[in-house]
Amino acid sequence: DIQMTQSPPSLSASLGDKVTITCQASQNINKYIAWYQQKPGKAPRQLIRYTSTLVSGTPSRFSGSGSGRDYSFSISNVESEDIASYYCLQYDNLPTFGGGTKLELK
Amino acid sequence: EVQLVESGGGLVQPGRSLKLSCLASGFTFSNYGMNWIRQAPGKGLEWVASISSSSSYIYYADTVKGRFTISRDNAKNTLYLQMTSLRSEDTALYYCARHGTMDAWGQGASVTVSS
Repeated sequence: DIQMTQSPPSLSASLGDKVTITCQASQNINKYIAWYQQKPGKAPRQLIRYTSTLVSGTPSRFSGSGSGRDYSFSISNVESEDIASYYCLQYDNLPTFGGGTKLELK
Repeated sequence: EVQLVESGGGLVQPGRSLKLSCLASGFTFSNYGMNWIRQAPGKGLEWVASISSSSSYIYYADTVKGRFTISRDNAKNTLYLQMTSLRSEDTALYYCARHGTMDAWGQGASVTVSS
């Protein structure tokens, strides 16, 4: 099984900051990674698929990049509505999620 | 609009069984693989099981293999998860999600395993 190591587990940011979350796979996942946002009491919402493709409705301040085993997800100009938990998912093989990152306001 | 609505959750004693359903609408259900994912209270997301569009391919996480069964009825646009020999560690919110990329999710069904 492919393991996904997501970091950091938590992140504190001010409004307008740029933040970056990383996910490292235990093997090459061929860019088959998606990123999700989850707010308290809500289901996860897909933001990005296939490393960097923004899902319809995802604001352009969100972005993704990477290849091989190493991937990153960024939010430029953090807004209050971005306060949430974020998860990566690899779907190259049997799906596995990263451990999650909780984004809080500084 | 794509909609996934889970049902069938509840409180169940350890060792007992429970069956979850996920009713799909707003897309051609029979064209898509489907998944179950769970989230224990205060924890992260854990993939549970996947089924291909025609039920030809089925996969399970090691934590549920042999106890849970995923199935679907394309005529009824419904995905199922039969859970047996339930344990306290199966307590979670269970989501169904569409496709390998999990691009759409239901609101979740709560399962609590406790005596």
